[in-house]
Amino acid sequence: DVKVTQSSRYLVKRTGEKVFLECVQDMDHENMFWYRQDPGLGLRLIYFSYDVKMKEKGDIPEGYSVSREKKERFSLILESASTNQTSMYLCASSPMWLAGERRFYEQYFGPGTRLTVT
Amino acid sequence: LAKTTQPISMDSYEGQEVNITCSHNNIATNDYITWYQQFPSQGPRFIIQGYKTKVTNEVASLFIPADRKSSTLSLPRVSLSDTAVYYCLVGEYGSSNTGKLIFGQGTTLQVKP
Repeated sequence: DVKVTQSSRYLVKRTGEKVFLECVQDMDHENMFWYRQDPGLGLRLIYFSYDVKMKEKGDIPEGYSVSREKKERFSLILESASTNQTSMYLCASSPMWLAGERRFYEQYFGPGTRLTVT
Repeated sequence: LAKTTQPISMDSYEGQEVNITCSHNNIATNDYITWYQQFPSQGPRFIIQGYKTKVTNEVASLFIPADRKSSTLSLPRVSLSDTAVYYCLVGEYGSSNTGKLIFGQGTTLQVKP
């Protein structure tokens, strides 16, 4: 059974703290993603990675950074947490899309981390 | 990347068939249409994907007209456990291996007894 795990389900941090959210997948997937989900806004892509040490900005990368040192692990870092980063954070992974392949691989999501910044 | 529009919410009763329509007027030639389901306090889960015409699996059917500017997710005989948010996504395959997806607000389906 495919599995994406996230280090915490609930997290409370103070403004200005450095926050690490960890995600691990056991499916040997090349692609990994970080989203945040807010009421009325749906899921928004923060960053994604298509290989170890490779990363690309998503739609809302400001205030975040990521790290992917190993294929199975993708970390989201809030350098200095702010209250507007209070949100549900979702990690996902998927296989690599092959050029010209007429198939769009599904993303597998973790359970999410609800982060509250006070 | 094509933007999608779907109803914010829908109500249904147990045993009924539910059809959720998604509009994606700017869909590109390489785009696939994918639907996800999300229960409270869980991450989204892939339901079904298609490119054209009709696709059916054990969970749902997906109807895509010839112009591909819309698609309809059909859930047969819903039960209370189908109460969830349903997302319609359009994404690109092929030219890169990243496959960015755009999740909109989704449709909140409430199934009543």
